[in-house]
Order: sequence, then C-alpha cells, then structure tokens
Amino acid sequence: RKEVEQDPGPFNVPEGATVAFNCTYSNSASQSFFWYRQDCRKEPKLLMSVYSSGNEDGRFTAQLNRASQYISLLIRDSKLSDSATYLCVVNEAAGNKLTFGGGTRVLVKP
Amino acid sequence: GAGVSQSPSNKVTEKGKDVELRCDPISGHTALYWYRQRLGQGLEFLIYFQGNSAPDKSGLPSDRFSAERTGESVSTLTIQRTQQEDSAVYLCASSRGGGEKKAFFGQGTRLTVV
Repeated sequence: RKEVEQDPGPFNVPEGATVAFNCTYSNSASQSFFWYRQDCRKEPKLLMSVYSSGNEDGRFTAQLNRASQYISLLIRDSKLSDSATYLCVVNEAAGNKLTFGGGTRVLVKP
Repeated sequence: GAGVSQSPSNKVTEKGKDVELRCDPISGHTALYWYRQRLGQGLEFLIYFQGNSAPDKSGLPSDRFSAERTGESVSTLTIQRTQQEDSAVYLCASSRGGGEKKAFFGQGTRLTVV
C-alpha cells in the first residue's frame, strides 16, 4: 500500500461548479498535511496547509479526518485557471521527508 | 533572489557520464529536499538535509546517487555513470526547518540521458 494515495482523475468540472477530492495516508503518526498544485511542466506550488479544524482560503477548503486518515480539498466556483494537478503531501512528526501523493488532475471546462 | 534557485535548468548528457545538479535554497531555510519526477509520474523523495544533522538518504535509488550540502547553503546532487532511466526532472525544495514543514520548490533541472 502506498503511503499517500490519491485518485488520479481527471475530474472534469464545468466552470463555476464545485469539485472535491480526497487523499488517504497510511501512517497514523503523520502530523503535517498540505495541498500543492502543479501545472504542466512546472514545479509544485504550495496551495494551503491543512489544519485539524479544517481551513478555508478563498474558494478552497481543506479538511483533515484523522480517524479515517484522509484529507480533502474542495474547490468552489471553479475557474478555468484551477485546471492543474493537486498534490497531497504528508509529513510524519518524527520523520523528515514530505511524502507526496501521485496527484489528482482537475480539468475545468467552459 | 527570493526563491529556490536550481541550475542548470536543462541538462542533456550521454549515458555513462557524471552530472552535478545545484540547488540554492531560500536564505535562512535550514531544511532542504531533493525529489525526482519522471515524466507523467509523481514526486519521488531522494534526500533531506536539516541543518548540521545527518541527512536522510533513504530515498536515494542507488549508490550512483549522492548529495552534499555545506552548512545551510548550497546543495549539489551528483549522479555518476548516468543511465537512461535517470532521465527526469530533479526538484529541490527548502523550508524553514524544525517544526515548519512548508516547503518551496525551485523550477527544477530537466535531465535527459541519451
């Protein structure tokens, strides 16, 4: 089983719609969680941290469910510019490396 | 500059040659990561440096790969006797370190082994 798993998609989303997707992690000791976005042939860019109580940043909402070991990302009022691959990232408290999921591809269409 | 800087941005090398990739982290960032991303694939962890602690080398795929970092500054990733399967984008990231895990990436070095 992979340490961090994501549905690869693609999620085809009409412009203006809401899309949500999850990421599961295997290590219950994981402490830090992030969402990154990666555009084609570009480096990953930090989108937002994920906090235990859930957090919002504009149209983006992230949630953490420790009991079921998953995090989620919800995008409201999708824009064409939201088309990208969204990477889930997990870090263990005692460990060093940031472990990346394989990414979920989102395509927003007019 | 304010961001993570990597050089070269592109490198084409012949099979069997050695290559050296460079990463300049954000000033003041004590933690530095190297990842590899093959075409259409996810990010593979290679190595992690945190200050003067022993690096976490658990992701290095073979003994042909090595990395160095002097203090909290520049890091170099060296691949000896390159193989075609080494072709990938090599990404470097840095973070403040300690409890702060938010990492910021450079633009990567695209390595092509022919």
